[in-house]
Amino acid sequence: DQQVKQNSPSLSVQEGRISILNCDYTNSMFDYFLWYKKYPAEGPTFLISISSIKDKNEDGRFTVFLNKSAKHLSLHIVPSQPGDSAVYFCAASAFDNDMRFGAGTRLTVKP
Amino acid sequence: NAGVTQTPKFRVLKTGQSMTLLCAQDMNHEYMYWYRQDPGMGLRLIHYSVGEGTTAKGEVPDGYNVSRLKKQNFLLGLESAAPSQTSVYFCASSYSLEKGITEAFFGQGTRLTVV
Repeated sequence: DQQVKQNSPSLSVQEGRISILNCDYTNSMFDYFLWYKKYPAEGPTFLISISSIKDKNEDGRFTVFLNKSAKHLSLHIVPSQPGDSAVYFCAASAFDNDMRFGAGTRLTVKP
Repeated sequence: NAGVTQTPKFRVLKTGQSMTLLCAQDMNHEYMYWYRQDPGMGLRLIHYSVGEGTTAKGEVPDGYNVSRLKKQNFLLGLESAAPSQTSVYFCASSYSLEKGITEAFFGQGTRLTVV
């Protein structure tokens, strides 16, 4: 069963605009939520995280929002830059650190 | 600072052959994971370990075995490779949740093809 879902396989935005990537989860036991960025032929790299006790975490151009009642989180990138073009994975971690990933969303930022 | 190192980077196996993928981390992380990445499926957890000498099954453990004899190493074994195991395999490691740091560091991946 896929406990973390990213229903949009791809997203295309114009440079300078906002990118919003969405993620849904089903397991209410998840304590931490993370976003990873992946370039081709490389391993994923950590981008930003949020604890289940918070509803927002901001780091520069990246903000993650968590809506626990809806079991939904989103990543906002403002402003989007061409270098942000990559595959973004949402991940969730439970108390024993069994970390599960979504299928990923390919973001393309057009100049 | 090497981080997480996977060996080998590429491998072609014939159906029925066996092999072991090695993951080594030098960050003194407690937790280690093996994932496989397939098109449209994202990263799926195969097995993981929360400490030396311990292992646990993930989402897709069938056909794989793992061992964590040393804290810094996590081995993934395929006893009898099948074409369905053609994939890119990623190893990752992280501190335990008790330390309050949860991000995982990934290796560069191993591209395995089973023919």
